[in-house]
Amino acid sequence: NAGVMQNPRHLVRRRGQEARLRCSPVKGHSHVYWYRQLPEEGLKFMVYLQKENIIDESGMPKERFSAEFPKEGPSILRIQQVVRGDSAAYFCASSEHPAPGEPQHFGDGTRLSIL
Amino acid sequence: SQQGEEDPQALSIQEGENATMNCSYKTSINNLQWYRQNSGRGLVHLILIRSNEREKHSGRLRVTLDTSKKSSSLLITASRAADTASYFCATDANDYKLSFGAGTTVTVRA
Repeated sequence: NAGVMQNPRHLVRRRGQEARLRCSPVKGHSHVYWYRQLPEEGLKFMVYLQKENIIDESGMPKERFSAEFPKEGPSILRIQQVVRGDSAAYFCASSEHPAPGEPQHFGDGTRLSIL
Repeated sequence: SQQGEEDPQALSIQEGENATMNCSYKTSINNLQWYRQNSGRGLVHLILIRSNEREKHSGRLRVTLDTSKKSSSLLITASRAADTASYFCATDANDYKLSFGAGTTVTVRA
């Protein structure tokens, strides 16, 4: 069984461009979470999605960031008009159930660098 | 703010020695999990301990939880070079949102 697949692994953008990060969850998992990791820090929760629904986006910046998890295809984290401060590693995780204590399966992340 | 704080920030040990790292958190939790992150990779779930448990074992891993002190420890026995990684504790209050600390970087010297 394939784990969580994220692509691209590395993404370089210039300030003002758009970044699109993709995440395919573990087969059979319908719950997807996005986290951001700054250098030397732990992961910070951004958003939780189920198929076609955003359940909790409390960790997402109010502007420029959006996420979706369509009925077909991967989950997408989109950052518009990127700025230097968006440089980070973005991790996607999935779970079969959203219950507390359910282990989340993580992808290898997308490392976003803003020039 | 981060819920979990790991201590120490970095740890260097000889192969075969034990490695112990601690995690403290601020608010009440349902569960505490430990994850490992190898350089350039995603997080791998190691072990989960529930708030009503005090100790749990999994292979060479031993986790303790003291809810009165709001702290947990992870012990890796008989360390190997492959254990070189960053280790994170993650807590959940009562939902799916995991709160991670900044991690402990463990280096196992051959």
